[in-house]
Amino acid sequence: GEDVEQSLFLSVREGDSSVINCTYTDSSSTYLYWYKQEPGAGLQLLTYIFSNMDMKQDQRLTVLLNKKDKHLSLRIADTQTGDSAIYFCADWSDTGNQFYFGTGTSLTVIP
Amino acid sequence: NAGVTQTPKFQVLKTGQSMTLQCAQDMNHEYMSWYRQDPGMGLRLIHYSVGAGITDQGEVPNGYNVSRSTTEDFPLRLLSAAPSQTSVYFCASSYKGRGEGEAFFGQGTRLTVV
Repeated sequence: GEDVEQSLFLSVREGDSSVINCTYTDSSSTYLYWYKQEPGAGLQLLTYIFSNMDMKQDQRLTVLLNKKDKHLSLRIADTQTGDSAIYFCADWSDTGNQFYFGTGTSLTVIP
Repeated sequence: NAGVTQTPKFQVLKTGQSMTLQCAQDMNHEYMSWYRQDPGMGLRLIHYSVGAGITDQGEVPNGYNVSRSTTEDFPLRLLSAAPSQTSVYFCASSYKGRGEGEAFFGQGTRLTVV
């Protein structure tokens, strides 16, 4: 099956930029996603990128996709304490007919 | 528009007991799925359904059953609970499951098996 890898923890100071990285193995992935999970809650879609794009910007969020290296990143500009959460990278596999999620990166923002 | 509703929110079971986790969505989504979330392991797919009457296994199906008699409901049954099934369970739905649309998640069920 597909492997989606993320580092488990990231700590940044309030106002700095955060960069969360993700690698995946399925070269046929057409959509890649970033989800956010706040404590005690389900996952909510933050943004997604289609595989024929290199970059997508949405307010404070920038998604970069390097399809050759199968590397996805999420940059959060001007990180706030409200951004503290777990961030999941995910992709959709047509062959597996399912979403594959990474392990999640726990982002802690230090005031 | 309630989205995806899961019940119960918390549950404690004794080893060997059975129970059903309920999931309902009101968005007329064809694709529904159940995941379990364990620390350091992300979300792992248990079972999924691409429409009423159609279900299939995911990555970790053992010990769980599902059925999909209507578009709206996708219950997950634990046949004989084991401590290894202690986890947080999420139900999710999406329009077609082809990746073009986001997956909507329920709030989760935190299950403890003692």
